[in-house]
Order: sequence, then C-alpha cells, then structure tokens
Amino acid sequence: EAQVTQNPRYLITVTGKKLTVTCSQNMNHEYMSWYRQDPGLGLRQIYYSMNVEVTDKGDVPEGYKVSRKEKRNFPLILESPSPNQTSLYFCASSLGGKGSGNTIYFGEGSWLTVV
Amino acid sequence: AQKVTQAQTEISVVEKEDVTLDCVYETRDTTYYLFWYKQPPSGELVFLIRRNSFDEQNEISGRYSWNFQKSTSSFNFTITASQVVDSAVYFCALSEASTDSWGKLQFGAGTQVVVTP
Repeated sequence: EAQVTQNPRYLITVTGKKLTVTCSQNMNHEYMSWYRQDPGLGLRQIYYSMNVEVTDKGDVPEGYKVSRKEKRNFPLILESPSPNQTSLYFCASSLGGKGSGNTIYFGEGSWLTVV
Repeated sequence: AQKVTQAQTEISVVEKEDVTLDCVYETRDTTYYLFWYKQPPSGELVFLIRRNSFDEQNEISGRYSWNFQKSTSSFNFTITASQVVDSAVYFCALSEASTDSWGKLQFGAGTQVVVTP
C-alpha cells in the first residue's frame, strides 16, 4: 500500500529541546516536502527536496532543518523549538518532475505542541 | 500575495442540503494544476480531485462535483445531498508548472463544512 508515514503523530515538548519528526515514503518518489498547518492560513511549505541531497527552503523555513540522505526518508528537525512552532505538520511526497502536476500524497500529520 | 482564496470560512447546512465551496486562484502560468483535499476531524488530508489547466470539463464523482472556469479563475466544489460524514475542512490548492514553484502546493485557508442531522 502506498504510504507516507510520519512519527510521532502527537508530541508535547518544551521550549529549546531538540526534536525530529521522521517521514518515510514507500513509493520511490523523488519529491518530498514538509508543510505546517495553522488556523486561517491553510498549509504552508517549510522545506522541500527534489532528490537525495537536494533540499531547499519553502515559504516558512525559519527554525527548521531537513536532510535527505536516502530517497525514502525526509526528517524535519527543530533544533530549538519555540511555542510559535506549535502546529500540525504534514510530510508529503510525489513523483515530481517539472510541471508534472503529479498527485501529492500526504502523511497523517504530526500534532506538535511546544510549551 | 494569496494565490488561492477560499472566502468562506465556515458553512453550516442541514443534512441533505447541497453545499458549494468557492475557490478562486491566481496564477500567471498557463500550465497549472488544481486540487481539492478533505480534512476530517481526525486530521489527515484526503485527496479528492486534481484538474489540469487545459481541462475545463466539469467532473462528477458520486455526490461530489467540480466546476472549473478559467474565465473567472475559479474551481468550485459542490456536495450534493450532504451527509454528516461530509463534515470536514476542505482545502483548495494550486500547483504551478513554473520552475520556482516546482512540485509545491499552495493552499487556500480552507472552508469548514458542518453538516447537522
């Protein structure tokens, strides 16, 4: 079954404590990205990756890091979380390709609260 | 600038009523793709439809239908004979074919649909 898997699904953490949200896809997709969802703002892209070792900033990259060492994995790292990073996070993947408009598959979401 | 506008924040209907969700988009690309996603209370995003800019044919899938009009830059979504299970947040999204936006989805703010029995 085609899947994008995120972990953890739910997390409460404290300000400044580094955390990583993992993301893995089993569809051999080239393109992966992270979004955050906030009320009234929809989903906004944090970072994206077009392939292994190729990553770039999205619209709201401040406070986040990513890496793409393997095609299937794209972890999101919060080096020093702050309360304004409390949000619902989605990992996504697609076949990619310029202008391809391929369907984008989303993980189930990770609810992160920073206190 | 907001590229996808969903002006309706919340729509409340009684079961069996029809409900139409508006989506207006903005792009300079001639090639682009439009999507609708459903987000039930459990939080996951459920893909509903993808439409490319060259295909203005309306589509119907069960109780769902979509009206794409390039002349007004709109991609509206109608749920016919709504059911309680349709209660969710619905997002319209745009993917542009230009290099800078490769693979990126730009979402509207979402419309909360509440269907009461």
